[in-house]
Amino acid sequence: SQQGEEDPQALSIQEGENATMNCSYKTSINNLQWYRQNSGRGLVHLILIRSNEREKHSGRLRVTLDTSKKSSSLLITASRAADTASYFCATAPGRNMLTFGGGTRLMVKP
Amino acid sequence: DAGVIQSPRHEVTEMGQEVTLRCKPISGHNSLFWYRQTMMRGLELLIYFNNNVPIDDSGMPEDRFSAKMPNASFSTLKIQPSEPRDSAVYFCASSSINHFGTGGNFNEQFFGPGTRLTVL
Repeated sequence: SQQGEEDPQALSIQEGENATMNCSYKTSINNLQWYRQNSGRGLVHLILIRSNEREKHSGRLRVTLDTSKKSSSLLITASRAADTASYFCATAPGRNMLTFGGGTRLMVKP
Repeated sequence: DAGVIQSPRHEVTEMGQEVTLRCKPISGHNSLFWYRQTMMRGLELLIYFNNNVPIDDSGMPEDRFSAKMPNASFSTLKIQPSEPRDSAVYFCASSSINHFGTGGNFNEQFFGPGTRLTVL
């Protein structure tokens, strides 16, 4: 089974609204990463949060990490149509490689 | 830097044919990863190399799949013979790992554009 599981699987919002995606994982981690994938493209790294961090910001992105609950959330504020993409969380569960979740498909309607 | 380069971008072949996918990682990166992405199974790690050495190939589906990294700037993923169920998008990614063996101090991975493989 996948280490990271995103929730919801799909999300549709209006431009300007905030989008929140969640990720749960099973084993202890050193860090957790979020990636974006536009249709037909490779994944692009968005943000990395280490296990000793609780919150991190990058532009309109805000990531939180709760290691006690083994969960993370990605918040995109003031969404734009260009944010339409799939978003994946990835963890390194101790095997020296990242394991990706199934992704959340975000649709931002103009 | 041009980023991770993959070729070909699209490949259509017939069942039973040999397929070779190619990847050039970002210069200076010491780790390279091959992934396969399908609607049904999502993004799966097939194999990863560190300093040109295969570290974990447990994701390679079966003996029909093989991967090589003869030097730091080139890797291939070969499928022989190919089957329709191999149809997927194959991604190569590279990264710079700070502490090999610690189990998690992973930096970000940089993905190539992918090769869309269709096996008829």
